[in-house]
Amino acid sequence: ETGVTQTPRHLVMGMTNKKSLKCEQHLGHNAMYWYKQSAKKPLELMFVYNFKEQTENNSVPSRFSPECPNSSHLFLHLHTLQPEDSALYLCASSQATLNYNEQFFGPGTRLTVL
Amino acid sequence: AQSVTQLDSHVSVSEGTPVLLRCNYSSSYSPSLFWYVQHPNKGLQLLLKYTSAATLVKGINGFEAEFKKSETSFHLTKPSAHMSDAAEYFCVVSDLSGGYNKLIFGAGTRLAVHP
Repeated sequence: ETGVTQTPRHLVMGMTNKKSLKCEQHLGHNAMYWYKQSAKKPLELMFVYNFKEQTENNSVPSRFSPECPNSSHLFLHLHTLQPEDSALYLCASSQATLNYNEQFFGPGTRLTVL
Repeated sequence: AQSVTQLDSHVSVSEGTPVLLRCNYSSSYSPSLFWYVQHPNKGLQLLLKYTSAATLVKGINGFEAEFKKSETSFHLTKPSAHMSDAAEYFCVVSDLSGGYNKLIFGAGTRLAVHP
């Protein structure tokens, strides 16, 4: 596997379910990100991890819970979601430096909340 | 604060004609700027980036962008559109004010290419 991978690619869940999204990067990066992409809205940064430490929580509701066990893996744990949480969730990684390094994105998980 | 404005939400061109996607930025310091492309049901792919070297930046698939400080613009161009260029394009500025690499995305421009 190369680049940034995300599983599952599609997920349908009820509002009472608990599920997790997984992201893995094979690029040797040490910063990872979760974004939410909804229709007709700009890409929203949710969480940032630098060297496994969370450095940003962009006012995300507590029903979204991130976890970064090591610099290659990132999870987003979901519970009691709302229909408006349906969106494409994108994971990205980069070098954790103050240089202007681009972020590399995974293909996303298309989440539908019923 | 850093921000970007993509001036067109939709652009439609004929195959073989030039492409121009417009982007203006606002930055309190010398910015780094990027263009990303997203094909349907795919993640974002980096097309090109400007990091204070040459003002004319060449990217993948024949795209290029020119950084114009006086106009605070970073427009994306391609001389001849191909059907496979149909996608959504995002202009992005890097924001380091939080002490880490944060990307600020524009709202996106959807490019349609007609035969």
